[in-house]
Amino acid sequence: NAGVMQNPRHLVRRRGQEARLRCSPVKGHSHVYWYRQLPEEGLKFMVYLQKENIIDESGMPKERFSAEFPKEGPSILRIQQVVRGDSAAYFCASSPSGAQMNTEAFFGQGTRLTVV
Amino acid sequence: DAKTTQPPSMDCAEGRAANLPCNHSTISGNEYVYWYRQIHSQGPQYIIHGLKNNETNEMASLIITEDRKSSTLILPHATLRDTAVYYCIVRVGGGSQGNLIFGKGTKLSVKP
Repeated sequence: NAGVMQNPRHLVRRRGQEARLRCSPVKGHSHVYWYRQLPEEGLKFMVYLQKENIIDESGMPKERFSAEFPKEGPSILRIQQVVRGDSAAYFCASSPSGAQMNTEAFFGQGTRLTVV
Repeated sequence: DAKTTQPPSMDCAEGRAANLPCNHSTISGNEYVYWYRQIHSQGPQYIIHGLKNNETNEMASLIITEDRKSSTLILPHATLRDTAVYYCIVRVGGGSQGNLIFGKGTKLSVKP
């Protein structure tokens, strides 16, 4: 997991609050991916971003979820008005280029969101 | 949906080679095969990837059949720390270039 930093590692929110998850990619990487993993399930793709652009958000729920990757600073996954079903591990990955098929993506250690 | 099929689980004796199969019969000519593993709720860890030639690195070897419809990941001397879920992934192209679509993977249990 070469340098992808996610914070916080653990986040507890009450129902209805907002959750903000941060991802700092490997230095020099301009592509970020977000995945969600529910307990005992596999990783589900959510969104793929380039600097200042959303490339593919086909895995994002239509409401309450948003993501950004600004020119400066980390990528942010934002969940508004959280519900218990949002409890999961959220993983971020980065790669130097998404368009090249032969570049590997490196994952962070994830943020574990618990909604109480 | 994932474009690969893997057995749900496998056992391997410590010190022996672990051979993890993967079927990807619909793979396109320019799509790569990637392998990742996830050790108990940690972030997925990159292992190896290849296009059509066999590949080897310090972690594993990847054998891809000539027709590219299947591949095998080989851990030459499995240790207890190799116990993990192993994901075989064909990288998606087109408008979603770069996405890694994870399937259910193979849960490898290395036993003493």
